[in-house]
Amino acid sequence: QVHLVQSGAEVKKPGASMKVSCRASGYNFDRYFLHWVRQAPGQGLEWMGIFNPSGGRTSPAQKFLGRLILTRDTSTSTAYMELTSLTSDDTAVYWCATFGPRGFDYWGQGTLLTVSS
Amino acid sequence: EIVLTQSPATLSLSPGERATLSCRASQSVSDSLAWYQQKPGQAPRLLIYDASSRATGIPARFSGSGSETSFTLTITSLEPDDFATYYCQQRSNWQGTFGGGTRVEIK
Repeated sequence: QVHLVQSGAEVKKPGASMKVSCRASGYNFDRYFLHWVRQAPGQGLEWMGIFNPSGGRTSPAQKFLGRLILTRDTSTSTAYMELTSLTSDDTAVYWCATFGPRGFDYWGQGTLLTVSS
Repeated sequence: EIVLTQSPATLSLSPGERATLSCRASQSVSDSLAWYQQKPGQAPRLLIYDASSRATGIPARFSGSGSETSFTLTITSLEPDDFATYYCQQRSNWQGTFGGGTRVEIK
Protein backbone atom coordinates (compact mmCIF):
# COMPACT_ATOMS: atom_id res chain seq x y z
CA GLN A 1 0.00 0.00 0.00
CA VAL A 2 1.36 3.39 -1.02
CA HIS A 3 1.78 5.97 1.72
CA LEU A 4 3.27 9.45 1.86
CA VAL A 5 3.72 10.54 5.45
CA GLN A 6 4.57 14.16 6.13
CA SER A 7 6.07 15.88 9.14
CA GLY A 8 3.91 17.78 11.58
CA ALA A 9 2.55 21.30 11.76
CA GLU A 10 4.92 24.19 12.22
CA VAL A 11 4.76 27.78 13.42
CA LYS A 12 7.42 30.13 12.10
CA LYS A 13 8.26 33.81 12.35
CA PRO A 14 8.50 36.04 9.27
CA GLY A 15 11.92 35.77 7.65
CA ALA A 16 12.53 32.24 8.92
CA SER A 17 12.74 29.03 6.88
CA MET A 18 10.70 25.85 7.15
CA LYS A 19 11.42 22.30 6.05
CA VAL A 20 8.78 19.62 5.49
CA SER A 21 9.60 15.94 5.09
CA CYS A 22 7.62 13.43 3.05
CA ARG A 23 8.42 9.76 3.63
CA ALA A 24 7.30 7.38 0.90
CA SER A 25 6.50 3.69 1.26
CA GLY A 26 4.80 0.97 -0.73
CA TYR A 27 6.34 1.78 -4.10
CA ASN A 28 9.70 2.41 -5.73
CA PHE A 29 10.58 5.92 -4.53
CA ASP A 30 12.83 6.55 -7.54
CA ARG A 31 10.16 5.67 -10.08
CA TYR A 32 7.80 8.66 -10.03
CA PHE A 33 8.24 12.39 -9.75
CA LEU A 34 7.23 14.07 -6.54
CA HIS A 35 5.26 17.31 -6.53
CA TRP A 36 4.74 19.89 -3.81
CA VAL A 37 1.40 21.69 -3.60
CA ARG A 38 0.04 24.19 -1.13
CA GLN A 39 -3.29 25.77 -0.26
CA ALA A 40 -3.67 28.98 1.69
CA PRO A 41 -6.79 29.36 3.85
CA GLY A 42 -9.86 29.77 1.64
CA GLN A 43 -7.77 29.73 -1.54
CA GLY A 44 -7.17 27.32 -4.40
CA LEU A 45 -4.48 24.73 -4.94
CA GLU A 46 -1.07 26.12 -5.84
CA TRP A 47 1.60 23.99 -7.48
CA MET A 48 5.05 24.75 -6.06
CA GLY A 49 7.50 22.48 -7.82
CA ILE A 50 8.51 19.07 -9.05
CA PHE A 51 11.32 16.78 -7.97
CA ASN A 52 12.79 13.70 -9.61
CA PRO A 53 13.96 11.36 -6.82
CA SER A 54 16.08 9.49 -9.35
CA GLY A 55 18.92 11.91 -9.97
CA GLY A 56 17.60 14.80 -7.90
CA ARG A 57 16.57 17.17 -10.71
CA THR A 58 14.12 19.84 -9.59
CA SER A 59 11.94 22.46 -11.25
CA PRO A 60 10.26 25.03 -9.02
CA ALA A 61 7.37 27.19 -10.16
CA GLN A 62 8.55 30.64 -11.22
CA LYS A 63 6.95 32.19 -8.16
CA PHE A 64 9.22 30.19 -5.86
CA LEU A 65 12.51 30.51 -7.76
CA GLY A 66 15.33 31.18 -5.31
CA ARG A 67 13.18 30.39 -2.29
CA LEU A 68 12.26 26.70 -2.74
CA ILE A 69 14.75 23.91 -2.12
CA LEU A 70 13.80 20.32 -2.94
CA THR A 71 15.99 17.44 -1.80
CA ARG A 72 15.76 13.78 -0.89
CA ASP A 73 17.35 11.03 1.15
CA THR A 74 17.21 7.88 -0.95
CA SER A 75 18.29 5.69 1.97
CA THR A 76 14.99 6.45 3.74
CA SER A 77 12.80 7.23 0.67
CA THR A 78 12.19 10.68 2.09
CA ALA A 79 11.77 13.92 0.17
CA TYR A 80 12.23 17.35 1.70
CA MET A 81 10.78 20.74 0.82
CA GLU A 82 12.44 23.80 2.28
CA LEU A 83 10.93 27.26 1.85
CA THR A 84 12.98 30.28 2.89
CA SER A 85 12.26 33.95 3.68
CA LEU A 86 8.77 33.20 4.97
CA THR A 87 6.01 35.80 5.08
CA SER A 88 2.43 35.62 6.31
CA ASP A 89 1.40 34.83 2.72
CA ASP A 90 3.12 31.46 3.13
CA THR A 91 0.61 30.38 5.78
CA ALA A 92 -0.96 27.32 4.16
CA VAL A 93 -1.35 23.57 4.13
CA TYR A 94 1.52 21.96 2.23
CA TRP A 95 1.24 18.58 0.52
CA CYS A 96 3.65 16.25 -1.21
CA ALA A 97 2.08 14.17 -3.95
CA THR A 98 3.25 11.61 -6.44
CA PHE A 99 1.66 11.04 -9.83
CA GLY A 100 2.31 8.21 -12.26
CA PRO A 101 0.69 6.53 -15.23
CA ARG A 102 -2.75 4.93 -15.24
CA GLY A 103 -4.04 7.05 -12.39
CA PHE A 104 -1.23 6.41 -9.92
CA ASP A 105 -1.96 9.37 -7.63
CA TYR A 106 -1.11 9.64 -3.94
CA TRP A 107 -0.97 12.57 -1.54
CA GLY A 108 0.50 13.06 1.89
CA GLN A 109 -1.73 14.02 4.77
CA GLY A 110 -0.73 17.68 4.57
CA THR A 111 1.39 19.89 6.83
CA LEU A 112 0.01 23.16 8.21
CA LEU A 113 2.46 26.03 8.29
CA THR A 114 1.55 29.17 10.21
CA VAL A 115 3.75 32.23 9.78
CA SER A 116 3.16 34.76 12.49
CA SER A 117 5.18 37.22 14.50
CA GLU B 1 4.73 28.59 -17.36
CA ILE B 2 1.43 27.10 -18.50
CA VAL B 3 -1.64 28.84 -17.09
CA LEU B 4 -4.96 27.03 -16.65
CA THR B 5 -8.18 29.04 -16.60
CA GLN B 6 -11.31 27.40 -15.20
CA SER B 7 -14.85 28.59 -15.78
CA PRO B 8 -17.23 29.35 -14.32
CA ALA B 9 -15.83 30.17 -10.90
CA THR B 10 -19.10 29.08 -9.32
CA LEU B 11 -21.85 26.84 -10.63
CA SER B 12 -25.20 26.84 -8.84
CA LEU B 13 -27.19 23.72 -9.65
CA SER B 14 -29.77 21.38 -8.14
CA PRO B 15 -29.29 17.65 -7.47
CA GLY B 16 -30.03 15.67 -10.61
CA GLU B 17 -28.88 18.44 -12.95
CA ARG B 18 -25.95 18.23 -15.35
CA ALA B 19 -22.74 20.09 -14.55
CA THR B 20 -20.29 21.19 -17.24
CA LEU B 21 -16.95 22.60 -16.10
CA SER B 22 -14.37 24.11 -18.44
CA CYS B 23 -10.57 24.29 -18.24
CA ARG B 24 -8.47 26.13 -20.82
CA ALA B 25 -4.68 25.99 -21.08
CA SER B 26 -2.48 28.86 -22.25
CA GLN B 27 -0.62 26.42 -24.50
CA SER B 28 -1.02 22.80 -25.52
CA VAL B 29 -0.71 20.19 -22.78
CA SER B 30 -1.67 17.34 -25.14
CA ASP B 31 -3.81 15.04 -22.95
CA SER B 32 -1.76 15.54 -19.78
CA LEU B 33 -4.66 16.90 -17.79
CA ALA B 34 -6.27 15.70 -14.57
CA TRP B 35 -9.42 16.69 -12.70
CA TYR B 36 -9.73 16.70 -8.92
CA GLN B 37 -12.57 17.09 -6.46
CA GLN B 38 -11.86 18.75 -3.14
CA LYS B 39 -14.00 19.15 -0.05
CA PRO B 40 -13.12 21.42 2.89
CA GLY B 41 -10.35 20.07 5.09
CA GLN B 42 -9.50 17.25 2.71
CA ALA B 43 -6.78 16.53 0.20
CA PRO B 44 -7.85 16.58 -3.44
CA ARG B 45 -9.33 13.37 -4.85
CA LEU B 46 -8.39 12.32 -8.37
CA LEU B 47 -11.40 11.94 -10.68
CA ILE B 48 -9.96 11.96 -14.20
CA TYR B 49 -6.46 11.51 -15.58
CA ASP B 50 -5.06 11.76 -19.11
CA ALA B 51 -8.00 14.07 -19.92
CA SER B 52 -10.62 11.33 -20.18
CA SER B 53 -9.73 8.26 -18.09
CA ARG B 54 -11.71 7.76 -14.89
CA ALA B 55 -9.67 7.00 -11.80
CA THR B 56 -10.31 3.84 -9.81
CA GLY B 57 -13.61 3.90 -7.97
CA ILE B 58 -14.95 7.05 -9.64
CA PRO B 59 -18.62 6.76 -10.68
CA ALA B 60 -19.52 6.75 -14.36
CA ARG B 61 -21.47 10.02 -14.01
CA PHE B 62 -18.07 11.77 -14.08
CA SER B 63 -16.48 12.11 -17.52
CA GLY B 64 -13.66 14.13 -19.01
CA SER B 65 -13.03 15.22 -22.56
CA GLY B 66 -10.79 17.49 -24.60
CA SER B 67 -7.18 17.80 -25.66
CA GLU B 68 -4.47 20.35 -26.37
CA THR B 69 -5.86 23.54 -24.78
CA SER B 70 -9.56 22.93 -24.13
CA PHE B 71 -10.97 20.45 -21.61
CA THR B 72 -14.31 19.68 -20.02
CA LEU B 73 -15.43 17.82 -16.93
CA THR B 74 -19.06 16.68 -17.06
CA ILE B 75 -21.13 15.35 -14.19
CA THR B 76 -24.25 13.94 -15.82
CA SER B 77 -26.59 13.97 -12.80
CA LEU B 78 -25.42 15.68 -9.63
CA GLU B 79 -25.60 13.71 -6.42
CA PRO B 80 -25.60 15.48 -3.03
CA ASP B 81 -22.03 14.29 -2.45
CA ASP B 82 -20.83 16.01 -5.65
CA PHE B 83 -21.21 19.55 -4.33
CA ALA B 84 -17.57 20.53 -3.88
CA THR B 85 -14.76 22.43 -5.59
CA TYR B 86 -13.18 21.01 -8.75
CA TYR B 87 -9.68 21.71 -10.04
CA CYS B 88 -7.96 20.85 -13.27
CA GLN B 89 -4.20 20.21 -13.29
CA GLN B 90 -1.82 19.93 -16.20
CA ARG B 91 1.25 17.71 -15.97
CA SER B 92 3.48 18.47 -18.91
CA ASN B 93 6.97 19.83 -19.39
CA TRP B 94 8.08 19.39 -15.81
CA GLN B 95 5.14 21.35 -14.46
CA GLY B 96 1.97 20.63 -12.54
CA THR B 97 -0.02 23.85 -12.44
CA PHE B 98 -3.64 23.96 -11.27
CA GLY B 99 -6.56 25.98 -12.47
CA GLY B 100 -8.27 28.38 -10.11
CA GLY B 101 -11.12 25.98 -9.38
CA THR B 102 -14.87 25.79 -9.95
CA ARG B 103 -17.12 25.62 -6.93
CA VAL B 104 -20.28 23.58 -7.54
CA GLU B 105 -22.89 24.69 -5.03
CA ILE B 106 -26.46 23.72 -4.32
CA LYS B 107 -28.99 26.06 -5.89
